[in-house]
Amino acid sequence: QLVLTQSPSASASLGASVKLTCTLSSGHNSYAIAWHQQQPQKGPRYLMRLNSDGSHSKGDGIPDRFSGSSSGAERYLSISSLQSEDEADYYCQTWGTGIHVVFGGGTKLTVL
Amino acid sequence: QITLKESGPTLVKPTQTLTLTCTFSGFSLSTSGVGVGWIRQPPGKALEWLALIYWDDDKRYSPSLKSRLTITKDTSKNQVVLTMTNMDPVDTATYYCAHATDYGEIDYWGQGTLVTVSS
Repeated sequence: QLVLTQSPSASASLGASVKLTCTLSSGHNSYAIAWHQQQPQKGPRYLMRLNSDGSHSKGDGIPDRFSGSSSGAERYLSISSLQSEDEADYYCQTWGTGIHVVFGGGTKLTVL
Repeated sequence: QITLKESGPTLVKPTQTLTLTCTFSGFSLSTSGVGVGWIRQPPGKALEWLALIYWDDDKRYSPSLKSRLTITKDTSKNQVVLTMTNMDPVDTATYYCAHATDYGEIDYWGQGTLVTVSS
């Protein structure tokens, strides 16, 4: 069974950088994921697709401050030059013909 | 430009059946590789995938809710309908529909609709 694990919370200062992690369960290192952002009281927004080799493709209008990387079972979302509007919940999501759709539990990012 | 919008009741009673409609534009659900899915989010909780229907009418459901869900599509109307039977207060959530590719990569979201289950 494929499970995505995310830390419940993270924090970083305004203008700083942060790296959020999504971990794929054992045996699923090759899966791509998607990152989604959910600002307070809003619906989710697709940020990017992140492949196992670290290549990624961003959604419409996503700033260059957002980037992704991969290492083994870990998938990362990096945000640089943090702004107040980056304070949000971030969800990773994966998919496949056998597993269909799986979401991680989300990370709440606080911008200090 | 891809857009999706959910519609349906805002309040349902316990044991009733919920019917939600997703009306979309900017793509066709007859295009190979395309799907439309439903995801929900109880207040203060995480996203939970419910169901997906693909361009070829293949349908997939969350294993934990499979017995209660039915997803259908009307390609001519650009609509996808989700029904959920035997609603319970724990089903109170915001329900989102979403565009998917590649067997489940969600890349566009609707704005969501809050459904409250209460007598």
